[in-house]
Amino acid sequence: DTAVSQTPKYLVTQMGNDKSIKCEQNLGHDTMYWYKQDSKKFLKIMFSYNNKELIINETVPNRFSPKSPDKAHLNLHINSLELGDSAVYFCASSAGTGNQPQHFGDGTRLSIL
Amino acid sequence: QKEVEQNSGPLSVPEGAIASLNCTYSDRGSQSFFWYRQYSGKSPELIMFIYSNGDKEDGRFTAQLNKASQYVSLLIRDSQPSDSATYLCAVIVQGSYIPTFGRGTSLIVHP
Repeated sequence: DTAVSQTPKYLVTQMGNDKSIKCEQNLGHDTMYWYKQDSKKFLKIMFSYNNKELIINETVPNRFSPKSPDKAHLNLHINSLELGDSAVYFCASSAGTGNQPQHFGDGTRLSIL
Repeated sequence: QKEVEQNSGPLSVPEGAIASLNCTYSDRGSQSFFWYRQYSGKSPELIMFIYSNGDKEDGRFTAQLNKASQYVSLLIRDSQPSDSATYLCAVIVQGSYIPTFGRGTSLIVHP
């Protein structure tokens, strides 16, 4: 049983396109996150939702729009993709906010041509 | 500005030795500390978390937290080649929802 699952695993697309990444967790967690890991392996938080409410919105271009239809799902839509968006995007979940450890999905490797 | 610093390595140790990984943080309000292991091309995987000063042991892993000196360490005893990975330190400040990750230390355990 996959605890945090993301689709697609790989995404190769042209600059200027719009794409979405989906995430689902079956851990019963209340909080979900999107992270970006760049080529230097630096893992940076982008967004977090707690019970479908946005609680963290870091300095991210507004081309990135998260959406949480329910607390088990968190999607990420990206408009007008740019070369600098190439990275691995990880979804994660935790039992709550604050001091809870996070469980990560396998990641989506996004490559912009 | 919250900062979490780790030596990027690589830290190379022989099989069977103790690997010592260190992480320093800048915010004295930090209250939750996590160590994740990330194999190349894979996702981060939680190894340990620690909230209180002192040591916390889990199998071959020991996390050591010293809030006065603002560092947290991860010791891996009897290191195995399968421990070769990047180890990420993450810190959450009290009252914050936002974890800050270090850039990770690459560990190589050679036979």
